[in-house]
Amino acid sequence: SYVLTQPPSVSVAPGQTARITCGGNNIGRKSVHWYQQKPGQAPVLVVYDDSDRPSGIPERFSGSKSGNTATLTISRVEAGDEADYFCQVWDSSSGHYVFGSGTEVTVV
Amino acid sequence: EVQLVQSGAEVKKPGESLEISCKGSEYSFTTYWIAWVRQMPGKGLEWMGIIYPSDSYSTYSPSFQGQVTFSADKSISTAYLQWSSLKASDTAIYYCAILVGGYCSHTSCYGAYWGQGTLVTVSS
Repeated sequence: SYVLTQPPSVSVAPGQTARITCGGNNIGRKSVHWYQQKPGQAPVLVVYDDSDRPSGIPERFSGSKSGNTATLTISRVEAGDEADYFCQVWDSSSGHYVFGSGTEVTVV
Repeated sequence: EVQLVQSGAEVKKPGESLEISCKGSEYSFTTYWIAWVRQMPGKGLEWMGIIYPSDSYSTYSPSFQGQVTFSADKSISTAYLQWSSLKASDTAIYYCAILVGGYCSHTSCYGAYWGQGTLVTVSS
């Protein structure tokens, strides 16, 4: 089955830039979507189709892809950005959807 | 405002059956696929599968095939997740989500709107 690999945690100082990676075989050929989940809350879509932002999501959140890695970048990080972040793709080979293991972002 | 409202928390014993619900409002319920997602305590998100409410066509992720059943009643804009015999390992929060992106069994979709989650606790 298709596997998406994320780092377990990322620490960043307020005002700095956080980069969360999501690795997968041939991920360059797949659309990658990103979710933010704060403690005790449902996930929220922050980036879809690699780099598009839903309405209401700050421009500080951006997505990109290069090679076998997709990246969610959070610029000018704020305390309120502390959350778990998950990437997600649809694997056309199996017809199944997959989440990455998730990355905890801590603002220190 | 588009909304998915899920049924309340459940406490069950192993071997019991259970059905939880996810009611959609303020959008065309039969036009968009719904996903079910599991989150075990302290763990990440797991994709369980998807259902197309228009005809109840469903696909299940391999780990959940044969373990749960999806259904939908389009007359009341409600999707359901059902277990026939619960196990302690089914203890988790279950989310439903509206998928956007096309015919989601054949193309990439994403969860644009999410329910608030239903906590299921299975304990003897």
